[in-house]
Amino acid sequence: ETGVTQTPRHLVMGMTNKKSLKCEQHLGHNAMYWYKQSAKKPLELMFVYNFKEQTENNSVPSRFSPECPNSSHLFLHLHTLQPEDSALYLCASSQEGGRLARRYFGPGTRLTVL
Amino acid sequence: ELKVEQNPLFLSMQEGKNYTIYCNYSTTSDRLYWYRQDPGKSLESLFVLLSNGAVKQEGRLMASLDTKARLSTLHITAAVHDLSATYFCAVAYARDNYGQNFVFGPGTRLSVLP
Repeated sequence: ETGVTQTPRHLVMGMTNKKSLKCEQHLGHNAMYWYKQSAKKPLELMFVYNFKEQTENNSVPSRFSPECPNSSHLFLHLHTLQPEDSALYLCASSQEGGRLARRYFGPGTRLTVL
Repeated sequence: ELKVEQNPLFLSMQEGKNYTIYCNYSTTSDRLYWYRQDPGKSLESLFVLLSNGAVKQEGRLMASLDTKARLSTLHITAAVHDLSATYFCAVAYARDNYGQNFVFGPGTRLSVLP
C-alpha cells in the first residue's frame, strides 16, 4: 500500500531535539490527519487539515506543530518532547464530501523520546 | 460526545471456530468503518457500512450494521491464524462544513491459535 507514505519510519530523539515527521498522500484526497497511537490508549486524533486549512486541533500541546503546505503533504514538527510522547504517529488522508470518505493510513512513525 | 465501545477487548480463539466482535456507539450515525491493524503496522481499511442493515463480506469476515441499535458486528467464520490482528471499528458523524468526525473504538485484539 503506497497511497500514504510517512518518513522516517523510526525516530529516536532526546528531549531537547527538534525533528519533523513527513507524510505524503498520492490519492488526490482533500483532507489529511495526524493521529497518535499509544500502547494503552485508543487512537487519538491530533490535527485535521481540510483543503490545507487546519480545522481541528484536539488540545494538542504546543510542542507539536503541524504544517500543511499543500493538499498532498503534511508535516509534524516536534520540539522539546517528553518521554510520554513516545508513540506510533499515524498520518491519514481522505476525500471529504465523498460517499465513502474512508481514511487511508500511512505506515506510521515509531517515535521514542529519551 | 460520541463514544465507541468494543467487546471483547481481547479474544483468543481456536482455528476453525466462529466468533463475533461487537461495536456499540452512543449517538446517531449512519457510517461505520472496520479496520485491521497487524502488530507494528498501520491500519488497513476492511469495510465501510453506510446504511441500516448493510452487510459486507470478504473472505472469512462479515460485517453488519444496525443503526437503530447503534451496533455493528464483525463475524469471523472458521478462523485461521492469518486473522490474528487488532480490529478497530470507527464511527463517523457529520461535523459542520468540514466533513466528518471519526471516533475509533479501543480495538479488539484477536489471537487465533492453531
